[in-house]
Amino acid sequence: AQSVTQPDIHITVSEGASLELRCNYSYGATPYLFWYVQSPGQGLQLLLKYFSGDTLVQGIKGFEAEFKRSQSSFNLRKPSVHWSDAAEYFCVMNRDDKIIFGKGTRLHILP
Amino acid sequence: DARVTQTPRHKVTEMGQEVTMRCQPILGHNTVFWYRQTMMQGLELLAYFRNRAPLDDSGMPKDRFSAEMPDATLATLKIQPSEPRDSAVYFCASGLAQGRSDEQFFGPGTRLTVL
Repeated sequence: AQSVTQPDIHITVSEGASLELRCNYSYGATPYLFWYVQSPGQGLQLLLKYFSGDTLVQGIKGFEAEFKRSQSSFNLRKPSVHWSDAAEYFCVMNRDDKIIFGKGTRLHILP
Repeated sequence: DARVTQTPRHKVTEMGQEVTMRCQPILGHNTVFWYRQTMMQGLELLAYFRNRAPLDDSGMPKDRFSAEMPDATLATLKIQPSEPRDSAVYFCASGLAQGRSDEQFFGPGTRLTVL
């Protein structure tokens, strides 16, 4: 069955520290993968996407993600977080017109 | 600056009343999505349309919910009759599918409270 798993419901990091949010997918082929961010009281905004080609993709706000086929993962990273990065992050898979959202990871930033 | 608009932004109604939420997708986009977000269930895809035709509405309770696109500039989500458990934030998103997967642009949401 197709699925997207974000194993961490909450993550807390200190401002300036590095960040990695995990995402694993289950699909028989390579899907289209996205990371979205939702700030409090806002809609979702696309951070980055992977369709094919270079497995390391760059996004907005200094985020990047790496697609690893062998691990069925698409983890999101940022070398140094800012207080404004506190939000909820969703990993999304889309293939053959089937859209599946992960449950989200809420990121908390310590000053 | 093109963006998805949703009306109303907030709606408070009583149980049993009809609720209609509207969405104006970004001009030129051919795909529209409806989502519901609650604390308990998180983000759920209710339905989505491509070129005004429903592609997937399996996430939508059929007995009380209906989604339509009267024209390319308007998508509606109706609940009749509404129930307290329908209280949630409803998001609309639009995208442009050109043989590749959709990047979705989200509206600000309609916060619905059913008393």
